This record gives sequence, structure tokens and C-alpha cells, in this order.
Amino acid sequence: GESVGLHLPTLSVQEGDNSIINCAYSNSASDYFIWYKQESGKGPQFIIDIRSNMDKRQGQRVTVLLNKTVKHLSLQIAATQPGDSAVYFCAENIGNDYKLSFGAGTTVTVRA
Amino acid sequence: NAGVMQNPRHLVRRRGQEARLRCSPMKGHSHVYWYRQLPEEGLKFMVYLQKENIIDESGMPKERFSAEFPKEGPSILRIQQVVRGDSAAYFCASSPPTANSPLHFGNGTRLTVT
Repeated sequence: GESVGLHLPTLSVQEGDNSIINCAYSNSASDYFIWYKQESGKGPQFIIDIRSNMDKRQGQRVTVLLNKTVKHLSLQIAATQPGDSAVYFCAENIGNDYKLSFGAGTTVTVRA
Repeated sequence: NAGVMQNPRHLVRRRGQEARLRCSPMKGHSHVYWYRQLPEEGLKFMVYLQKENIIDESGMPKERFSAEFPKEGPSILRIQQVVRGDSAAYFCASSPPTANSPLHFGNGTRLTVT
């Protein structure tokens, strides 16, 4: 499953398939990007981050891609599991690591 | 290793009352941040504190809101004379005193103003 456009509020994906969550950012000066996962009733949980001097970074089952030319960020989740159901936020920052600017989020629902 | 601890988890206040939200950072973390999340929205930065110092409060409303991080004890976000528009989830995050460290968030305090 894949979300397209500036942000798609929801993404439904079959268990076992790969998920792609997209995020467009607005500030070309942003140099630090983070993906967070937020489950219902909980705080954002760090997934993976990437700096502007990189275009790809991999973690466990997740990959973040950064395209600075078109100001686009994506999160790929391999072999999506029911526990991946959550709201996913991309966040960007300029010059420091704390004043994050969050997107509106994409709700991912995994179908069994 | 306990994560960022926030309390209370839920807080109900009538209009005009005061709300006090507490945050204990992760062990070894000396930087604390407060964010606010309205329903169906992303988080918005409010304030960044270190022990006994406010570093950046550019996201804090000018009136009724204040934050502190004393030498001993948790960080406190205080909202005086609450209004219905203050109803939101308030999240605290912390990070160690090293550069390029991602923020770790607590599970938030959900404030409801009736």
C-alpha cells in the first residue's frame, strides 16, 4: 500500500505487504527529518531519522528516503504487521534538533 | 530504564481553574520539551527547558501558560484560568545533553476543560 499526495490521512495495507507512507515538507532549509509512530492513547515513538546530507537510511524493517529536490520524504515498512497499525508522523527541523515541525499524520490500518 | 513519565494521564478542569502538568525526563536526560497536540493534528512545539533555564519558549502562548524545570523534581507546565480551547493532549519529551539526539516522548496528559 502507498499514500500519495501531500499526505493521505489513511492507508490500508494487507498484512505481509510493504507499506509506503509519503510526506512533503515545505521548508527547503530543513536539514533533519524524523518519522514517529503514535498508537492510540500513547505518545509519539521514534522510528528513524535522517539528515539532509543523506538520501536513504535503513533500520529494522524500515527505510527512510529523502528527496531534497522535490522536498519529499517517505517511510517504507517491510512485511507490515498488525502491530504497525498506528498514526505515522513525519517531522522536520531547521538547524536544531528540538523545534520539530510535525505533519498532520497518516493513519495506517493493517488488514489481516 | 523508565521512559519519560507524565502525570496525570487525564486531567479535567472547569473553565477558570488552573492545570498543572508534570514531566519527569528519562534518566540521564537534562533537556525537556513540551508539545501540544489538538485532535486530528500533529504536535506543535511549545517550550524547551534545561535545569533552571528556559531556553526557547517561542511556541508558548503569551498569557496564562508557564513552564519550569527546577533543579530538583519534575518539569511543570502550568496553565492558569483554563479555557475550552486549552483542551488538548500535552506531551513532554526529553533528550540527553548531546547534539543530534532524537526526542523521546512520554504518553502525554489529556486535558479536558469543561
